[in-house]
Amino acid sequence: DTAVSQTPKYLVTQMGNDKSIKCEQNLGHDTMYWYKQDSKKFLKIMFSYNNKELIINETVPNRFSPKSPDKAHLNLHINSLELGDSAVYFCASSQGIRAYEQYFGPGTRLTVT
Amino acid sequence: DQQVKQNSPSLSVQEGRISILNCDYTNSMFDYFLWYKKYPAEGPTFLISISSIKDKNEDGRFTVFLNKSAKHLSLHIVPSQPGDSAVYFCAARDNNAGNMLTFGGGTRLMVKP
Repeated sequence: DTAVSQTPKYLVTQMGNDKSIKCEQNLGHDTMYWYKQDSKKFLKIMFSYNNKELIINETVPNRFSPKSPDKAHLNLHINSLELGDSAVYFCASSQGIRAYEQYFGPGTRLTVT
Repeated sequence: DQQVKQNSPSLSVQEGRISILNCDYTNSMFDYFLWYKKYPAEGPTFLISISSIKDKNEDGRFTVFLNKSAKHLSLHIVPSQPGDSAVYFCAARDNNAGNMLTFGGGTRLMVKP
């Protein structure tokens, strides 16, 4: 009965590959997010998405793209992986007027070799 | 350009005493401030929030204080318990940027029995 889940938990891949990370939330929330936690432990927003609007942090390379098959899922696709993409990626969700209170998944540790 | 800063990377407190975690910000457009707690290998967990129109919000052992003129907020934990040992992140929402949160770098709290 995990509220926000991510798969896989760990992902090791080579430079140049394309990979996806899946996120699902069973909270009935209408907005989902992707965050990146880099090696210095800073959490940075990448995307905010609901069924009406995608907001992209301008610093995110266009190799990264969120895809939402339905309201409960927001997957992260990464093309042409680079060494600097190694990080922990967190999915989150929120709802309504208290959308600033976000609920996070357990994270996916991506290692690019 | 860090808009949210936590200047203390770590804090050690004796069990039963008060823990005070601090956070400074620069963006006057932030309208909500939040504290998250994070254990290793888990996602951040929402703790408490405060609107920019308030100066205090309390929830059990956790109290957040906001000083808008100083652009400073703090989280007080009283009494501190060993289970409170975790990394605490301060976060803020810019009303003009959807519900995307800007996070501080985190403070590692260690509560000693």
